[in-house]
Amino acid sequence: AQSVTQLGSHVSVSEGALVLLRCNYSSSVPPYLFWYVQYPNQGLQLLLKYTSAATLVKGINGFEAEFKKSETSFHLTKPSAHMSDAAEYFCAVSAASGGGADGLTFGKGTHLIIQP
Amino acid sequence: NAGVTQTPKFRVLKTGQSMTLLCAQDMNHEYMYWYRQDPGMGLRLIHYSVGEGTTAKGEVPDGYNVSRLKKQNFLLGLESAAPSQTSVYFCASRDALGGGGPDTQYFGPGTRLTVL
Repeated sequence: AQSVTQLGSHVSVSEGALVLLRCNYSSSVPPYLFWYVQYPNQGLQLLLKYTSAATLVKGINGFEAEFKKSETSFHLTKPSAHMSDAAEYFCAVSAASGGGADGLTFGKGTHLIIQP
Repeated sequence: NAGVTQTPKFRVLKTGQSMTLLCAQDMNHEYMYWYRQDPGMGLRLIHYSVGEGTTAKGEVPDGYNVSRLKKQNFLLGLESAAPSQTSVYFCASRDALGGGGPDTQYFGPGTRLTVL
């Protein structure tokens, strides 16, 4: 069984500051990990994914995440926040050995607020 | 190429009424999913399908039924709606597992359902 914990339901940063959204996972098998973004009243859009090819993953809109097996973490970062980054962010895990057919397990989400 | 579409976008039901949500994808994906999103809960998997004519239960299947009669469509039914089913429902699809691991899930825009 897998689970995802996102620390902080709300994170507020100033425009231009570093964005750090935390995600820890639990999985009995090597995981595949994802970050999705949801803008108001829209569906989810993939930011980036880790599928064991490289531990540092670069995604869209300047975001990146680093897989750390020893810490069971997959934190999302962006060097400089932009007002357009304000959204809900979800971390998700899929069981690699099962092929991932049975869907993703999501964290509860982190609402990112950008202060002008 | 419309991606994943959902019908309807909004619906209000009375307790005990029934309805069907339609999800359609034009990407020839094998796998399709239904999730529900509730405040502070993230997304939770209701049912999923790994191919035409097949369905399986997810994390929160009670009170819902699904059908996948055509590869491109995945229907979610509520036979007797309850207030606890007030939620935003998202459909997603993805290609079958390849050598590199689970592919991206593509999400529809969501259906906002209110049960009075």
